[in-house]
Amino acid sequence: EDQVTQSPEALRLQEGESSSLNCSYTVSGLRGLFWYRQDPGKGPEFLFTLYSAGEEKEKERLKATLTKKESFLHITAPKPEDSATYLCAVQANYGQNFVFGPGTRLSVLP
Amino acid sequence: DAGVTQSPTHLIKTRGQQVTLRCSPKSGHDTVSWYQQALGQGPQFIFQYYEEEERQRGNFPDRFSGHQFPNYSSELNVNALLLGDSALYLCASSLGLVPLLDTQYFGPGTRLTVL
Repeated sequence: EDQVTQSPEALRLQEGESSSLNCSYTVSGLRGLFWYRQDPGKGPEFLFTLYSAGEEKEKERLKATLTKKESFLHITAPKPEDSATYLCAVQANYGQNFVFGPGTRLSVLP
Repeated sequence: DAGVTQSPTHLIKTRGQQVTLRCSPKSGHDTVSWYQQALGQGPQFIFQYYEEEERQRGNFPDRFSGHQFPNYSSELNVNALLLGDSALYLCASSLGLVPLLDTQYFGPGTRLTVL
């Protein structure tokens, strides 16, 4: 059964304090790994798609990396507006549904 | 370019009632997926529609049913509502069967409260 875990469950950072979020997955044939950001009461907002081990994607203060067993979302010099829940999802094989992890709640304090 | 839209935004029902939620996909997308997200958890896959047919289904009972229309919009129906059905229902659209282009984009969700 495909599974996704995320750690830590919650993370509090001071503004400017860089850190990383982890997404570990077990899937039969990874089709793609996806990162989303979700603000309270809203739908997930797409951030990145990663398809193969070694791949990296960057957007502003965020950088996502992928290995054969996990993905990291690195946040450099975060700002309070980066506070949100970050969700990781995997898609196994062509045309399959997304399996989401429980998310990491990030709080960035000014 | 309109993104994924959902209606209504909020809904309050009582146990045993039936509910219909609606979704319009992002322009150019032909595939719609529905997810249930309980408070503090990640979204759980309900089912996916492509070419007006249910292509895949998650581990949800038959009380959950759906439909896709020729214009690719979709409905989620839930019968005999239970208290545990209270959640945020998310619709996601994508371009089906196109490798590397089937990233799912989510709507704002419908918050369903069952009393």
